Amino acid sequence: QVQLVQSGAEVKKSGASVKVSCKASGYTFTGYYVHWVRQAPGQGLEWMGWVNPNSGGTNYAQRFQGRVTLTRDTSISTAYMELTRLTSDDTAMYYCARSMGFLVDYWGQGTLVTVSS
Amino acid sequence: EIVLTQSPGTLSLSPGERATLSCRASQSVSSAYLAWYQQKPGQAPRLLIYGASSRATGIPDRFSGSGSGTDFTLTISRLEPEDFAVYHCQQYGNSPYTFGQGTKLEIK
Repeated sequence: QVQLVQSGAEVKKSGASVKVSCKASGYTFTGYYVHWVRQAPGQGLEWMGWVNPNSGGTNYAQRFQGRVTLTRDTSISTAYMELTRLTSDDTAMYYCARSMGFLVDYWGQGTLVTVSS
Repeated sequence: EIVLTQSPGTLSLSPGERATLSCRASQSVSSAYLAWYQQKPGQAPRLLIYGASSRATGIPDRFSGSGSGTDFTLTISRLEPEDFAVYHCQQYGNSPYTFGQGTKLEIK
């Protein structure tokens, strides 16, 4: 069965960076894009970008351009999201998700990132 | 960027009743690339509907989606206790693939 297993919760200081991993199993990793979506406490979902595991190509939401980097390691079927220059506004649950085309169909369990000053 | 506005923000209904949730887009959604997700507390979202009206694998037929262009609707014909959750719409036709702010369906 399709599974996306994310790394554990992180606590960071303002100005620091965070890198979250997402390990895929149960399907061909290079056959589906991996998206990253975040959800601040009590808020809605916010799309951040995708990475094409086959080519390494990426597409980022404009508001995260220059601060987010999506990468992958096909040898271990794992995608990564790195977010730099963290502020308290970046405190959120971060999800990775698989897409068919651009339709997200399976989600990871989420990684809570807490930014403190 | 396509802005999605969901209404109502909160919907209070009883089990067995019919629920109608709305998602309105600021511009036409390409090829009805509109999805609905259900999210329960402490869980990741789950895909319910894609292409505006197609049910995802394993989704009960009490869930149905309709609409095109800028107006979309999720209908739950007879609410079961496990249906009380937050529902999100998303358009995946144009980057950035935006979400609505969510509708909370709560027990009356």
